[in-house]
Amino acid sequence: GESVGLHLPTLSVQEGDNSIINCAYSNSASDYFIWYKQESGKGPQFIIDIRSNMDKRQGQRVTVLLNKTVKHLSLQIAATQPGDSAVYFCAESNQAGNNRKLIWGLGTSLAVNP
Amino acid sequence: KAGVTQTPRYLIKTRGQQVTLSCSPISGHRSVSWYQQTPGQGLQFLFEYFSETQRNKGNFPGRFSGRQFSNSRSEMNVSTLELGDSALYLCASSGITGEGETQYFGPGTRLLVL
Repeated sequence: GESVGLHLPTLSVQEGDNSIINCAYSNSASDYFIWYKQESGKGPQFIIDIRSNMDKRQGQRVTVLLNKTVKHLSLQIAATQPGDSAVYFCAESNQAGNNRKLIWGLGTSLAVNP
Repeated sequence: KAGVTQTPRYLIKTRGQQVTLSCSPISGHRSVSWYQQTPGQGLQFLFEYFSETQRNKGNFPGRFSGRQFSNSRSEMNVSTLELGDSALYLCASSGITGEGETQYFGPGTRLLVL
């Protein structure tokens, strides 16, 4: 039989190039956003986060951009390396009553070609 | 600081059996969340525990349950296993970063149901 499943968007880049991974979020009330990296066989690892009162935040080789007008988040990786090959997830967080909820994107697979 | 640990790392069960997975959060973290990850459905939220109380719950059947102990360690249980329960089960504990509440993941327990 045929299996039906989710095929992750894939971004393929050359080593040394810059990578841009995009994410559209769903809730305009979300006020905190996080990017995670998941390598094969491992749990997701925190990369960088940003609050809704900012539109840009930089880390080491990574930059997160937030556009609240169009509910869009992006992760830029400078000088992409083979070790950056992984699945990247964005997550949005918002306060719902007394609880804070985290909503996950489906992920983007980044393949770095040497 | 030691990271989030999960045991066991791998598990094989048969349909109808039940399974208990364990998670030890980062020291000082009081919130533990559980996720199911499959290639077809991505990262699906199961539930979150905070100070021994379930604070949030995803859309999983009652066969999936959890608990948290006074030392913040958490267990999740799946009863009457089905083939579709085969997945990577991830545990995450929450702490405070510079910008908000970030989840830190363990390596996961890979469950195979035959």
